Amino acid sequence: DTEVTQTPKHLVMGMTNKKSLKCEQHMGHRAMYWYKQKAKKPPELMFVYSYEKLSINESVPSRFSPECPNSSLLNLHLHALQPEDSALYLCASSQDPSNSYEQYFGPGTRLTVT
Amino acid sequence: SQQGEEDPQALSIQEGENATMNCSYKTSINNLQWYRQNSGRGLVHLILIRSNEREKHSGRLRVTLDTSKKSSSLLITASRAADTASYFCATVPYNFNKFYFGSGTKLNVKP
Repeated sequence: DTEVTQTPKHLVMGMTNKKSLKCEQHMGHRAMYWYKQKAKKPPELMFVYSYEKLSINESVPSRFSPECPNSSLLNLHLHALQPEDSALYLCASSQDPSNSYEQYFGPGTRLTVT
Repeated sequence: SQQGEEDPQALSIQEGENATMNCSYKTSINNLQWYRQNSGRGLVHLILIRSNEREKHSGRLRVTLDTSKKSSSLLITASRAADTASYFCATVPYNFNKFYFGSGTKLNVKP
């Protein structure tokens, strides 16, 4: 199984809502990533989890809160978002954090903040 | 920025023609990877080339790497309409476990 799954596919939320994005992989990968992608732009790294511990936070605002409950799951908790946070949120995983291997991406969650 | 730059930004060709896109980067790298993204979807890994490799093939794909010029190219031969997508290079600098995506090339293959 070389699949990374993400739920939901689409999410519309108001600025006062709290929601969560979920990501799952069963490839035994020990590194997991969250990216944000705006239209016609490359993905921008947000967070990296290495062996279930947060290893990189790219100065992401605290209204985005990542969580890695176990080696297969990655969540992104959202609270008090702004309209400019509307984007495609991509989860990825790789065999290890060294980036000597390819990353496997999920299909993404299209987030709209109203 | 350590991100790579790609050119062209957009490329439109006829089915059957070859497509070449280029990636330039700034720092020494561990490896360079190419990804494809269909509109609004996740990225799909195409090929990885390590810093000590100069050329790599995978099916209709050919990737070259010139570390002296800090550049790479992706050649898609005998293109098909299904190759229509955005293509991104991603660099992994030495001693820096981050992925840096290039600006991307949007390829349109006309049937």
